[in-house]
Amino acid sequence: EVQLAQSGAEVKKPGESLKISCKASGYRFTNYWIGWVRQMPGKGLEWMAIIYPGDSDTRYNPSFQGQVTISADKSITTAYLQWSSLKASDTAMYYCARRPGYYFDLWGQGTLVTVSS
Amino acid sequence: QSVLTQPPSVSGAPGQRVTISCTGSSSNIGAGYDVHWYQQLPGTAPKLLIYGNNNRPSGVPDRFSGSKSGTSASLAITGLQAEDEADYYCQSYDSSLSGYVFGTGTKVTVL
Repeated sequence: EVQLAQSGAEVKKPGESLKISCKASGYRFTNYWIGWVRQMPGKGLEWMAIIYPGDSDTRYNPSFQGQVTISADKSITTAYLQWSSLKASDTAMYYCARRPGYYFDLWGQGTLVTVSS
Repeated sequence: QSVLTQPPSVSGAPGQRVTISCTGSSSNIGAGYDVHWYQQLPGTAPKLLIYGNNNRPSGVPDRFSGSKSGTSASLAITGLQAEDEADYYCQSYDSSLSGYVFGTGTKVTVL
């Protein structure tokens, strides 16, 4: 089955680091870009970053550049999104999604990140 | 920082037709980039509904259709059903951002 399986919910304190994951299965991981999309509570969708696992080429939304790091390990067909120092404003649901064209056709189930002191 | 504008909400009775507009600019829809649509049911991940302006992925009912003209696009839902109650987002590519942009989102309510 073609799917993206994300890591579980996280509760962190401000200033802590975090790395969430997105495990791909059922298709050739290195042939598709994978992106991350943020959805803050009660809000809309925002594209954050995207990576091509075949050569690790990455692109960032300027609003998130320097705030997060996207990476991928093609040996275990997994993409990651990481923060070095979380803020309360990072509290949101984060989705990974596969990009076959200029759209996202396959989505993970989401990872809820809560940042609170 | 959505650059695609959608109405916050639309509603209709079962069986009716509703449309959702998506207004962009010369750096995204008006530049010729395709528009795509997603459906997000309550508490779930978004699902691709329409890609490439008017193409439906396998499994999406033909009650859903898309169109694009100039700097805008529309999603139409005909024969509205209770299960269509969800949030809908348009999406395109923006050359100024060099990235992907989503619409502000529209909540569809079935009366």
